[in-house]
Amino acid sequence: EVQLVESGGGLIQPGGSLRLSCAASGFTVTNNYMSWVRQAPGKGLECVSFIYSGGSSYYAESVKGRFTISRDTSKNTIYLQMNSLRDEDTAVYYCARGGSGNLPRDYFDYWGQGTLVTVSS
Amino acid sequence: EIVLTQSPATLSLSPGERATLSCRASQSISSYLAWYQQKPGQAPRLLIYDASNRATGIPARFSGSGSGTDFTLTISSLEPEDFAVYYCQQRYNWPLTFGGGTKVEIK
Repeated sequence: EVQLVESGGGLIQPGGSLRLSCAASGFTVTNNYMSWVRQAPGKGLECVSFIYSGGSSYYAESVKGRFTISRDTSKNTIYLQMNSLRDEDTAVYYCARGGSGNLPRDYFDYWGQGTLVTVSS
Repeated sequence: EIVLTQSPATLSLSPGERATLSCRASQSISSYLAWYQQKPGQAPRLLIYDASNRATGIPARFSGSGSGTDFTLTISSLEPEDFAVYYCQQRYNWPLTFGGGTKVEIK
């Protein structure tokens, strides 16, 4: 069974740093695209970062230069290092798996439960 | 960046009624559109991909259509568990973008 479990969220002051983790089970993270998608309170969805099977990555303009996505294959885990946090980064951060087989890789077929990041002084 | 505009923002219907949700893209995206359902406190769930293909385990009452810039999600007969927010997402090019959502609420 595929599972994604996020952790690492919390309350952080503006300018601070936080690292989110997404522990995957039931599949190998290097076989799928993996993404972090966030949702500000009461708002829609935004794909902030993506890591391809080959290891290259993508960032939304809103987080470029501040966030870094990475993975640890030995732990089958994806990370999101978030630096220079701003009020507008406050959101629930979801880890999501890109499709495989007949499902194109840039749609998301499994999601974690989300972890809340609150940036506030 | 491709902007996806969903309408209406809110749809008030009764169980058993037909729901028709719209997603319009700011440029042609061929058929590269998905639909997700999100219930309060839960992660989104993939319903439809590439405009008209149901994802694994999705009931037949959900159907998608469209291509180019105009897309539709239809729920043929609303069940109580279908009242939720629905988002569209394009994969035509980067950045991947989502629409603002349509809330289907009980009338």
